[in-house]
Amino acid sequence: DVKVTQSSRYLVKRTGEKVFLECVQDMDHENMFWYRQDPGLGLRLIYFSYDVKMKEKGDIPEGYSVSREKKERFSLILESASTNQTSMYLCASSQFTPDKAVTLWGQGTNEKLFFGSGTQLSVL
Amino acid sequence: AQKVTQAQTEISVVEKEDVTLDCVYETRDTTYYLFWYKQPPSGELVFLIRRNSFDEQNEISGRYSWNFQKSTSSFNFTITASQVVDSAVYFCALSDGYSSASKIIFGSGTRLSIRP
Repeated sequence: DVKVTQSSRYLVKRTGEKVFLECVQDMDHENMFWYRQDPGLGLRLIYFSYDVKMKEKGDIPEGYSVSREKKERFSLILESASTNQTSMYLCASSQFTPDKAVTLWGQGTNEKLFFGSGTQLSVL
Repeated sequence: AQKVTQAQTEISVVEKEDVTLDCVYETRDTTYYLFWYKQPPSGELVFLIRRNSFDEQNEISGRYSWNFQKSTSSFNFTITASQVVDSAVYFCALSDGYSSASKIIFGSGTRLSIRP
């Protein structure tokens, strides 16, 4: 079974601290994602990575950065934590699969996302 | 820009009733993928289905069925004869299909409660 492991289930930090959230996957997936989940807002994409050292901004990247030095590990960094970053953070990974049913030119999809169990971060 | 709207915030039905969860999406892409995920009370999201934009056939899997209609940009999910174990938050998601560098965007979710 694919396993996506997030290093902490609960984390409490103070305003202004630098925070690292770690995520490791064991299935050699190319793609990894960081989302935050807030009541009424669903999952919002912060950053994603489609290869080592490659990253793309999601919809809400402000106040965050990421690092992908190894394929299996994708870190989310809060440079200076603020109270509005209190949230549930979800990491996910997936394998991109060309879809021959759609096109001959390599278009495809991230097959499905495998999620970690989440990190509930509280910033005081 | 891509967008997924799940207008139903919460639904509560009695066990054995049928229930439909609505999903409306926006995209300028001609090739895209739609997904449904389930988040049970335990918290971990579980993949349910993926559908590409060229395949409008409805899909049935046991008590679950999905209705994809490009004309209305909708990808609705129906649970037949609902059970208490179906209680969860359900998310609809959208991804363009151009490359591996593809975002997957989620809706805000529908909380489904099945009463015994």
